[in-house]
Amino acid sequence: DAKTTQPTSMDCAEGRAANLPCNHSTISGNEYVYWYRQIHSQGPQYIIHGLKNNETNEMASLIITEDRKSSTLILPHATLRDTAVYYCIVSGPPGSARQLTFGSGTQLTVLP
Amino acid sequence: DTAVSQTPKYLVTQMGNDKSIKCEQNLGHDTMYWYKQDSKKFLKIMFSYNNKELIINETVPNRFSPKSPDKAHLNLHINSLELGDSAVYFCASSQEAYEQYFGPGTRLTVT
Repeated sequence: DAKTTQPTSMDCAEGRAANLPCNHSTISGNEYVYWYRQIHSQGPQYIIHGLKNNETNEMASLIITEDRKSSTLILPHATLRDTAVYYCIVSGPPGSARQLTFGSGTQLTVLP
Repeated sequence: DTAVSQTPKYLVTQMGNDKSIKCEQNLGHDTMYWYKQDSKKFLKIMFSYNNKELIINETVPNRFSPKSPDKAHLNLHINSLELGDSAVYFCASSQEAYEQYFGPGTRLTVT
């Protein structure tokens, strides 16, 4: 699986959009980008995934650059409950991905 | 309804003891996992298991063994506990590996 690089921490004002970047310059053609988050003292939670097109669901949007070497997770209106560690993971296609390798993630703190 | 549950939530024990952590999922998923999260918060896969295949992370000591009495359960047995085994252990399940549902975690403290 390709390695990912994320900032260690970020702050965001409540109600504003939180934009979390991830670099994955060694991503291969059939690898997807997956995002999870871990709220303090809880298990990780799946957020979203994508291959090359932008994706949106009820939790977030995922923007993947055209060269697929980086992506951004967007929480459009961050709330205090979005404070968590956000993990960007690159792995095989959804049907064949065997295991997920979690890195150190980005600690997002939403400030009131 | 709890999708993935673990017991106990906290476990304090002495070095050398043998202990088990139980995990149950009611999602009907085919695959279950065990992860270890150490004091530095790194989350590492230990095992993934379905009825066809057990995949073991090569760094996991053989003192750790998963046991699955049925598709909905994957218990973690740990023999001869060591101080370095202190961590939070998470169970997870999935139908597709990319979307895993995690349990609340078991905080193991070895003294």
